[in-house]
Amino acid sequence: NAGVTQTPKFRILKIGQSMTLQCTQDMNHNYMYWYRQDPGMGLKLIYYSVGAGITDKGEVPNGYNVSRSTTEDFPLRLELAAPSQTSVYFCASSWQGSYNEQFFGPGTRLTVL
Amino acid sequence: AQKVTQAQTEISVVEKEDVTLDCVYETRDTTYYLFWYKQPPSGELVFLIRRNSFDEQNEISGRYSWNFQKSTSSFNFTITASQVVDSAVYFCALSEGGGTSYGKLTFGQGTILTVHP
Repeated sequence: NAGVTQTPKFRILKIGQSMTLQCTQDMNHNYMYWYRQDPGMGLKLIYYSVGAGITDKGEVPNGYNVSRSTTEDFPLRLELAAPSQTSVYFCASSWQGSYNEQFFGPGTRLTVL
Repeated sequence: AQKVTQAQTEISVVEKEDVTLDCVYETRDTTYYLFWYKQPPSGELVFLIRRNSFDEQNEISGRYSWNFQKSTSSFNFTITASQVVDSAVYFCALSEGGGTSYGKLTFGQGTILTVHP
C-alpha cells in the first residue's frame, strides 16, 4: 500500500494564480482531512470529508475549496492565491473518525510570491 | 472549543539524557482522544500513540512513555535515554469524541527536540 500520496511536493505560485493540490489514499478510509502547517505552528484544519460527496469546513477554510467524488481522492483547490497561503499542506485519512489515528501524506510545500 | 498547549517551544538535550515533553489540553467533552505525532526533519508526520479519556493507564513502549492525568488535563511524553534519531518536532493533538467531531484534530504548537551527540 502506498498510503496517502500528495502531489506536487513543491510549488511556487504567483499572487492571483490558482492550483489544485492532489491527495489520494489507497486504504479505503472514509475520513479525509486537509491541514496547513505554518512555520513554528501546529497544524490547522482546512476542510474535511466523511465520505464521497460529503465535505465540510474546518478552522481555516477561507480561500480554499474541496470536492470528494471518490473514496480515494480528496483534492484541495486554491483560488486566487495570496501570500498568506504560503504554507505546508498535509492531507490525512482515517478509517472511522475520532478513535482512529490519522495517516498523513508527505506534504506539499507551497510558496505564493 | 478545544485547545492544546505545548508550552515548551524548543528543548535541547545531550544524548542519553531523559526528556519530558509537556502537553496540556482543554475540552468540554467527557469522551475525547489524545494523540502524539512525531515530525522528523524529513517532514512527514508519524503517529506515536493514542489514548482515550477513559483510560488513564500510563503506557510504555521501549524508550517512550506517556503519562495521562485527567486531574491536571495533561498528557506528557517522556523519552528515556534520548538518541540523536529522536530529534524532531513532536505534536500533541486532541480529538473530541462527540458524534459531530468526525475525528477533527486540534494540534498543539509543537515542541522542537534537538538531541546532541
